[in-house]
Amino acid sequence: NAGVTQTPKFRVLKTGQSMTLLCAQDMNHEYMYWYRQDPGMGLRLIHYSVGEGTTAKGEVPDGYNVSRLKKQNFLLGLESAAPSQTSVYFCASSYLQATGELFFGEGSRLTVL
Amino acid sequence: DAKTTQPTSMDCAEGRAANLPCNHSTISGNEYVYWYRQIHSQGPQYIIHGLKNNETNEMASLIITEDRKSSTLILPHATLRDTAVYYCIVRVTNSGYALNFGKGTSLLVTP
Repeated sequence: NAGVTQTPKFRVLKTGQSMTLLCAQDMNHEYMYWYRQDPGMGLRLIHYSVGEGTTAKGEVPDGYNVSRLKKQNFLLGLESAAPSQTSVYFCASSYLQATGELFFGEGSRLTVL
Repeated sequence: DAKTTQPTSMDCAEGRAANLPCNHSTISGNEYVYWYRQIHSQGPQYIIHGLKNNETNEMASLIITEDRKSSTLILPHATLRDTAVYYCIVRVTNSGYALNFGKGTSLLVTP
């Protein structure tokens, strides 16, 4: 039982390049989330999904797109990376009948030069 | 969701109890209090949550005041591995929406 797995763990991009972060969970959770965390800051919600085929915007969605084609996977895409998107990205998931407990991945550190 | 206020940082000696306060004076009747922690560079970890009764699990105890306007997370015997940022979050459960993490309290446990 791996829980929540994020790939890649580290990536360096040049400004304008595109990439996709993959989040996979094996707990059959309905809800999935993408957060970003900048140095000295708390986590800020980018996008989330309440089920397969659905997505919604969070607090800081600009510059990102997401897809939830399969229940177990939640993809975060950067179409044209900018230095302001340098951050650590965390994926999380939770049950449909949520108690509020989110299960987090270990994070993906992205640097945009 | 109600806003929370936590001290920026706290220290605690190893083996002693760590008491982390949180103010949530605008909490509404159906909002729960959640605590998470984040050990350096790792993903946040759920600790405990409660509505109005005190709660205890293998990690910590949660004490909520009778008026629910504040709470305290208690780590009964802090260890060096408890050094982390602790987040107090208030939210309506079962809403399906993500938790809003603030800056939390940075707890340093010293030998």
